Amino acid sequence: EVQLVESGGGLVQPGRSLRLSCAASGFTFDDYAMHWVRQAPGKGLEWVSGITWNSATIGYADSVKGRFTISRDNTKNSLYLQMNSLRAEDTALYYCAKDGTAVLDYHDYWGQGTLVTVSS
Amino acid sequence: EIVMTQSPATLSVSPGERATLSCRASQIVNTNLAWYRLKPGQVPRLLIYGASSRATGIPARFSGSGSGTEFTLTISSLQSEDFAVYYCQQYNNWPLTFGGGTKVEIK
Repeated sequence: EVQLVESGGGLVQPGRSLRLSCAASGFTFDDYAMHWVRQAPGKGLEWVSGITWNSATIGYADSVKGRFTISRDNTKNSLYLQMNSLRAEDTALYYCAKDGTAVLDYHDYWGQGTLVTVSS
Repeated sequence: EIVMTQSPATLSVSPGERATLSCRASQIVNTNLAWYRLKPGQVPRLLIYGASSRATGIPARFSGSGSGTEFTLTISSLQSEDFAVYYCQQYNNWPLTFGGGTKVEIK
């Protein structure tokens, strides 16, 4: 059974940093691309970032480019999102999502999400 | 970036009836289009990928069609668990982008 468990969310002040983690199990982690997707309160889904199986290709939404960094450790079956210079508009539930392929395509499994609140 | 526009914003349907949801892309995305269902308090679920392929475990009442810029999700006979918000997503170009969602509510 595919399981994705996010952690690292919480309340943080504007301008500060936070690092999200996603622990994956139930599939061969290094065979698949991975993503972060978020949903702000009362809003729709927004793709944040994606990384291919070998970290060779990485993509970001324009709204987070230059502030967020995605990475993965295939030896630990883990995905990460380093979030710097956080803004109030980054407040959202952040989902870790598995890709259906090794490259950046659709998301076939999602975690429960971790809540990030940016507020002073 | 490619803008995905979903219509209608809200669809009122009776249980057992058919629902048709639309998604339009601002540029050609070929068939690199997915549909997801999101219920309050639950994890998003992949329904359709490649515009028309059902994901694992998705019942046959869900079907997807379209290519290029115009796409449709059809639910042939709405069940109670289908009253939710549906999102389309293109993965032909970066950044990947979602539509604004269609809420399917009980009539």
